[in-house]
Amino acid sequence: GESVGLHLPTLSVQEGDNSIINCAYSNSASDYFIWYKQESGKGPQFIIDIRSNMDKRQGQRVTVLLNKTVKHLSLQIAATQPGDSAVYFCAENSVNYGGSQGNLIFGKGTKLSVKP
Amino acid sequence: DSGVTQTPKHLITATGQRVTLRCSPRSGDLSVYWYQQSLDQGLQFLIQYYNGEERAKGNILERFSAQQFPDLHSELNLSSLELGDSALYFCASSGHHRGRTTPLHFGNGTRLTVT
Repeated sequence: GESVGLHLPTLSVQEGDNSIINCAYSNSASDYFIWYKQESGKGPQFIIDIRSNMDKRQGQRVTVLLNKTVKHLSLQIAATQPGDSAVYFCAENSVNYGGSQGNLIFGKGTKLSVKP
Repeated sequence: DSGVTQTPKHLITATGQRVTLRCSPRSGDLSVYWYQQSLDQGLQFLIQYYNGEERAKGNILERFSAQQFPDLHSELNLSSLELGDSALYFCASSGHHRGRTTPLHFGNGTRLTVT
């Protein structure tokens, strides 16, 4: 889910559990989606991306699922670790910016808190 | 480490002033992007340069401008600063690999405080 300003949605999980972070995107014409992790004091760090011709993509401990019918994106983190605690952003490519892959529209973020 | 370097890390200045933020992209990346992150607006795309030329513009104010130099580093110039310009400014870069644009890699940002 998305939120505005200081009221980031927070997901709290126990270490070792799986985490699922959800994101609703806005533009049905977007064809590229990406997840970033941002730790305090740092820039967004690339996690995984997916193109609209796919509905699932797996990385190391992470899986991204794309449901174009309902414009929904999710990030699954397996065996969540304390080091996964951060704010997670989904982003979509907006064709309004000429379709360049780097001109991204970011969601407001979800804060993941991992309890040891 | 993303390989994208931004300086300075922190900048404090007064309203009406002008500042320059600097970015060095990852080695080999030709595209540089500037983003602004504020509490109320989140991460917003400002502008993109590719190999020295402006490629795309986003929500960039007329008081802001950028350029990319022959060595591919980029500068973001913010002038007539207002309190509302206080934010984190991120630079990101991307390149090409096997015919596709690589994902954006971000620097650690410059925190601008306008007093």
